Amino acid sequence: AQTVTQSQPEMSVQEAETVTLSCTYDTSESNYYLFWYKQPPSRQMILVIRQEAYKQQNATENRFSVNFQKAAKSFSLKISDSQLGDTAMYFCAFMKHGSSNTGKLIFGQGTTLQVKP
Amino acid sequence: KAGVTQTPRYLIKTRGQQVTLSCSPISGHRSVSWYQQTPGQGLQFLFEYFSETQRNKGNFPGRFSGRQFSNSRSEMNVSTLELGDSALYLCASSLDRMTYEQYFGPGTRLTVT
Repeated sequence: AQTVTQSQPEMSVQEAETVTLSCTYDTSESNYYLFWYKQPPSRQMILVIRQEAYKQQNATENRFSVNFQKAAKSFSLKISDSQLGDTAMYFCAFMKHGSSNTGKLIFGQGTTLQVKP
Repeated sequence: KAGVTQTPRYLIKTRGQQVTLSCSPISGHRSVSWYQQTPGQGLQFLFEYFSETQRNKGNFPGRFSGRQFSNSRSEMNVSTLELGDSALYLCASSLDRMTYEQYFGPGTRLTVT
């Protein structure tokens, strides 16, 4: 069974600074996808970034980038130039690549990020 | 393009009752997944539907069921409600079973008293 662990329940960062959220996962699969989702207070979940396990290059989306270390089973999210609107709970998620398990995201417990002015 | 919609947004039910939640996926999306979110257990996968068939199921009791219609809209039903069923129920849609990004709706907040 796959598991996803986010060891930082809460973090805070000053506006305009950089913050890194940690995520580790456990799986015996070789092909899978990893995601970071953002859930702002009382608002819906938004996909921030995704990474295919077969790609060595780290994914980036504007101010968001990941550090994917497949051997270490680590998938951290870096937010550069933090903005007040980045305040949210961030979830790391895993999905097995293949037809038998598609549709099932396995989530970590989440990290609450507070961006301070 | 409209996002995933869920109705109702809020619901209060009594123990022992049953409830039906509805989810309309993004237009053109054919796969719908359901998740339960609670402070204690976090986000847990309930089930996934594609082409009106349940393709995958999480570890929930049989009181939790669902279905998908020909227009890809999905419903989930919880019978004989328990206090522990109080949660935010999230629906997510994706284009098909080979597309891995899921797009979430706003959720239905169910409170069982």
